Amino acid sequence: DTEVTQTPKHLVMGMTNKKSLKCEQHMGHRAMYWYKQKAKKPPELMFVYSYEKLSINESVPSRFSPECPNSSLLNLHLHALQPEDSALYLCASSLQGGFQETQYFGPGTRLLVL
Amino acid sequence: GQQVMQIPQYQHVQEGEDFTTYCNSSTTLSNIQWYKQRPGGHPVFLIQLVKSGEVKKQKRLTFQFGEAKKNSSLHITATQTTDVGTYFCAGYFGNEKLTFGTGTRLTIIP
Repeated sequence: DTEVTQTPKHLVMGMTNKKSLKCEQHMGHRAMYWYKQKAKKPPELMFVYSYEKLSINESVPSRFSPECPNSSLLNLHLHALQPEDSALYLCASSLQGGFQETQYFGPGTRLLVL
Repeated sequence: GQQVMQIPQYQHVQEGEDFTTYCNSSTTLSNIQWYKQRPGGHPVFLIQLVKSGEVKKQKRLTFQFGEAKKNSSLHITATQTTDVGTYFCAGYFGNEKLTFGTGTRLTIIP
């Protein structure tokens, strides 16, 4: 099973809402990632978790709060977002987080902030 | 900061023609990976190159890593409609962070 699943597929939220994005993998991977992708742009790394610990935070605003409850799950909690946060949010996983590893991406959550 | 640029940004080809995208880094890369993202889809890993001057082939796709490990290319021979999508190179600069190139969007004219 080389699948990374993400829910929901689409999300519309107001600027005062609180919502969460979920990501799950059952490949035994110990590194998980959140990326943000704007239209016609490459994915931009937001966070990296390695062995359930946050190892990289790419200076992401605090209105995005990641959480890794266990090695299979990754959440992204959203609060007080801005319209410019509308984007495709991609989750990915890799074996351990090393720099020669393939990253497996989920289908993404398309977020629209009104 | 570390950047990875790709050219061209867009490429429109007739079905059956060849296609090449080029990837250039400002600094030496530990390795280079290539991903394909179909319209409305997510990035899918194609291949990884690690060694200086390395060349790998996957059917109609040929991948090269430059001698100085600062550039790479992807060449598709005799394109098909299934090749449509955006091709990203992505590299590690010796750390955990995978930096994606700017991407080349390929469209095929049947």
